[in-house]
Amino acid sequence: GAGVSQSPSNKVTEKGKDVELRCDPISGHTALYWYRQRLGQGLEFLIYFQGNSAPDKSGLPSDRFSAERTGESVSTLTIQRTQQEDSAVYLCASSFVWREQFFGPGTRLTVL
Amino acid sequence: AQSVAQPEDQVNVAEGNPLTVKCTYSVSGNPYLFWYVQYPNRGLQFLLKYITGDNLVKGSYGFEAEFNKSQTSFHLKKPSALVSDSALYFCAVRDGRGTGTASKLTFGTGTRLQVTL
Repeated sequence: GAGVSQSPSNKVTEKGKDVELRCDPISGHTALYWYRQRLGQGLEFLIYFQGNSAPDKSGLPSDRFSAERTGESVSTLTIQRTQQEDSAVYLCASSFVWREQFFGPGTRLTVL
Repeated sequence: AQSVAQPEDQVNVAEGNPLTVKCTYSVSGNPYLFWYVQYPNRGLQFLLKYITGDNLVKGSYGFEAEFNKSQTSFHLKKPSALVSDSALYFCAVRDGRGTGTASKLTFGTGTRLQVTL
């Protein structure tokens, strides 16, 4: 497709379960970013991938959070042992090098 | 470290009137500045950017922004607001040096624009 896609669009899980969120970036974009947006708040940077460089993980809130990216393709964000405070919208974005980022529609995660 | 401040949580304006959404930034190198808009239950959409060149940048939907280096500001403006402009607006900055970890964008907390008839 022409834009960034994310799946699932909504995810409801029980506390303590693991979840995996997926992002398909725009084809040809070298950089991919994950953000978290809690209700009524701004964007919180989590992690970004740039080509073959080591990812910048400086925004990951705990070791329960991890992300992988295969080349310049799909990325998955995994949250282990989910907690209620993990409830948020998780946004993925991609860009061509340093240029403007294009965002996906997000995955709304609800942890019961 | 880089940072962005959006001092107003909400801006209210009547349709047809000019609007301004304020943004100030702090960055070590040359700033790359961006505005994004978020409509309800939708992802962020890119509006405009300043990289270099003219201080007045024109973007989508009739929006423009003015880069002011001395005041470290990048305020978003529109000459005549529409009800359909009502949304959440985010300013973002990155350090223009290099293309490594400096590519990380730092976002402001957002300003809700409410345009009424």
